[in-house]
Amino acid sequence: DIQMTQSPASLSASLGETVTIQCQASEDIYSGLAWYQQKPGKSPQLLIYGASSLQDGVPSRFSGSGSGTQYSLKISSMQTEDEGVYFCQQGLKYPRTFGGGTKLELK
Amino acid sequence: QVQLQQSGAELTKPGSSVKISCKASGYTFTSYDISWIKQRPGQALEWIGAINPGSGGTGYNEKFKGKATLTVDKSSSTAFMQLSSLTPEDTAVYYCARDYSVFDYWGQGVMVTVSS
Repeated sequence: DIQMTQSPASLSASLGETVTIQCQASEDIYSGLAWYQQKPGKSPQLLIYGASSLQDGVPSRFSGSGSGTQYSLKISSMQTEDEGVYFCQQGLKYPRTFGGGTKLELK
Repeated sequence: QVQLQQSGAELTKPGSSVKISCKASGYTFTSYDISWIKQRPGQALEWIGAINPGSGGTGYNEKFKGKATLTVDKSSSTAFMQLSSLTPEDTAVYYCARDYSVFDYWGQGVMVTVSS
């Protein structure tokens, strides 16, 4: 199975601050990577697919980048509503696998 | 609009089975796989398996073979997951999600609690 390792496990950011979350795959996943945001008691919401494509309706302050085994999610200007847990997921091979999550809080 | 409506919370005893549902609407049910995903409280997400509603073909995470059985009813655009031989480690929220290698629409989740 492809292992997905996220870092950091948690972080806090101030309003307007730029936030970056990292995701490393145990093998090349050829940009087959998605990012999700999950708020307490809610289902995950797709933010980014194909490593860098923004899902419809997602604010443009979210962006994704990376290739090979290294990927990142950037929030260009932290907002209150961005608090939550972020997961990466590889879609290249079965079984689909997720990172352990990054909890983002407002400082 | 695309919606995945899941059945209600379940409280069940160790050793029993439970079957939860996921009713799709707003798109052609047979055009996308449906995946099932487990999330234990405060934990990460685990992919259980997927079913192709058109063919009924399934694929499972090795970890969940023998635990989960996926089926569909095309006439009602509903996917089902049966969990068997339940233990407290099966206590979790179970999501269905529309799958095309990423999960763009999710159900609201079903809390399954296994307790004696």
